[in-house]
Amino acid sequence: DVKVTQSSRYLVKRTGEKVFLECVQDMDHENMFWYRQDPGLGLRLIYFSYDVKMKEKGDIPEGYSVSREKKERFSLILESASTNQTSMYLCASSLPSGRGEQYFGPGTRLTVT
Amino acid sequence: GQNIDQPTEMTATEGAIVQINCTYQTSGFNGLFWYQQHAGEAPTFLSYNVLDGLEEKGRFSSFLSRSKGYSYLLLKELQMKDSASYLCAVTPMNTGFQKLVFGTGTRLLVSP
Repeated sequence: DVKVTQSSRYLVKRTGEKVFLECVQDMDHENMFWYRQDPGLGLRLIYFSYDVKMKEKGDIPEGYSVSREKKERFSLILESASTNQTSMYLCASSLPSGRGEQYFGPGTRLTVT
Repeated sequence: GQNIDQPTEMTATEGAIVQINCTYQTSGFNGLFWYQQHAGEAPTFLSYNVLDGLEEKGRFSSFLSRSKGYSYLLLKELQMKDSASYLCAVTPMNTGFQKLVFGTGTRLLVSP
């Protein structure tokens, strides 16, 4: 079974702090994704990566950056956290071929105070 | 672009059948997914439709009509554990990296 893990289930940070969210997958998937999920807005894509050191902006990249130094690890960085970044953050991975089914991690509930 | 619509919330009774609809306006897509997400947990894959018609998998079935821009997820013999959100998503054409575009999800509440 594919396993996608995220470094924290719950995180509380202060406004202005730099925040790192880590995601690791164990199935050698090329594609990795970061989403945020908010009530009434659904899952929105922040960034995705299709290979090591490669990244593409999603629909809402403002205020975020990413890093992919190794194939299995994809990090989301909030350079200066703000209260409107309080959300559930979900990481996912998939193969580049086939139907594109994505496998999700358990999520990180981030609260910025 | 893509616009995906689902009802916000539905309620049903244990043992019943429920149909969750998903309509979309998109310039083109490869396939349509349904995911299940229990509260506080990760979305998990339920079904995938690429051709028109019905795909059956146990108690769950998914239907796609490309010409009508319409899909539904059918859940039979509802159980309490089916209380969850159900997410409809499409893979837009020509994205290259198999992005998914999600609807806002339908929260299903199953009562005894």
